[in-house]
Amino acid sequence: AQTIHQWPVAEIKAVGSPLSLGCTIKGKSSPNLYWYWQATGGTLQQLFYSITVGQVESVVQLNLSASRPKDDQFILSTEKLLLSHSGFYLCAWTGTGQLYFGEGSKLTVL
Amino acid sequence: GQGVEQPAKLMSVEGTFARVNCTYSTSGFNGLSWYQQREGQAPVFLSYVVLDGLKDSGHFSTFLSRSNGYSYLLLTELQIKDSASYLCAVRIDTNAYKVIFGKGTHLHVLP
Repeated sequence: AQTIHQWPVAEIKAVGSPLSLGCTIKGKSSPNLYWYWQATGGTLQQLFYSITVGQVESVVQLNLSASRPKDDQFILSTEKLLLSHSGFYLCAWTGTGQLYFGEGSKLTVL
Repeated sequence: GQGVEQPAKLMSVEGTFARVNCTYSTSGFNGLSWYQQREGQAPVFLSYVVLDGLKDSGHFSTFLSRSNGYSYLLLTELQIKDSASYLCAVRIDTNAYKVIFGKGTHLHVLP
């Protein structure tokens, strides 16, 4: 069975500080991977997707970047956080027509 | 522009049913999914439809009309634990990897 794990579960960071969120998927070879962001009470917004190692496509950047260093790993990062980066970040992979999400990482920027 | 619209709130009574509506206007269509999301948790996949008609999955059923840009999720024999947000998501075929989510409908099931 496929499992997807995100880290950290939650972060409280200062404006201007760097951020790195990670996602690992097990049990699925060459998955299509996605990063989503959801502001509190807001809509899930697709940020990035990747279909293969080293290749990442941006949908909405929001002053964030993403990388896929390994087949089973997807990283979201920024060098300088903004208040507007607060929210819930979700990594996902696609099955047949549906998305399977990780547990999510809750980010609070102060 | 492209969009997926859902009513913000819906209330129903335990033991009855609830229908969550979704309308979409997109440049392409490559399937529609429904997810359940509880507060502070990740969405959980419920149903995926790509052809018109009703898909019965027991507690959840899904209807799609592509010509009308319309879908609904029907929950029957409601339980209190069905109280959650229900998200509609449309996969756009101009970019097969792009999915647009609605804002979600918060269903409150009353005793």
